[in-house]
Amino acid sequence: EVQLVESGGGLVQPGGSLRLSCAASGFTFSSYWMTWVRQAPGKGLEWVANIKQDGSEKYYVDSVKGRFTISRDNAKNSLYLQMNSLRVEDTAVYYCVREGIKCGADYWGQGTLVTVSS
Amino acid sequence: DIVMTQSPLSLPVTPGEPASISCRSSQSLLHSNGYNYLDWYLQKPGQSPKLLIYLDSNRASGVPDRFSGSGSGTDFTLKISRVEAEDVGIYYCMQALQPPFTFGPGTKLDIK
Repeated sequence: EVQLVESGGGLVQPGGSLRLSCAASGFTFSSYWMTWVRQAPGKGLEWVANIKQDGSEKYYVDSVKGRFTISRDNAKNSLYLQMNSLRVEDTAVYYCVREGIKCGADYWGQGTLVTVSS
Repeated sequence: DIVMTQSPLSLPVTPGEPASISCRSSQSLLHSNGYNYLDWYLQKPGQSPKLLIYLDSNRASGVPDRFSGSGSGTDFTLKISRVEAEDVGIYYCMQALQPPFTFGPGTKLDIK
């Protein structure tokens, strides 16, 4: 069974940093692109970033470029999102998502809440 | 970036009746391999989103056959042949042709 378990969310002040982690199991992690998607409270879904199987390609939505860094450790079956210079508008539930072979997102984690507030 | 729009944004439906959601993209989602890279997701209240339809018209594993997707290029449609109470939630389309992938604003389906 595919499982994606996020951790690392919490309350942080504007300008602060946070590192999210996602532990993957139930599939060959190193064979899939992986993605972070976020959802602000009461709002829709926003694709944040993705990373190729070997980490050689990464893409970001414009609003996080230069502030967020996606990475992975295939030996640990783990995905990460380093978030720096956090803003109030980054407040959201962050989902770890497996990018399917033929689709953008075939499995989703339960999400971890990041709150940016003073 | 590719901009996705959906209509309607709110969709009240009587159980047993059909429902239809439209999704449009600002650029064609047709890849050179002949596939349209358009997915549909359903987020039920209090849950993470789940994949319903991929590559425009393919149902994900376990998705009831009352759900169907169609369209090509920039215009796509999700249809539910007979709405059931368990279908309530927010439906999102998403383009997976080129990063950054982008979602539509969502269509909230509820029961009349």
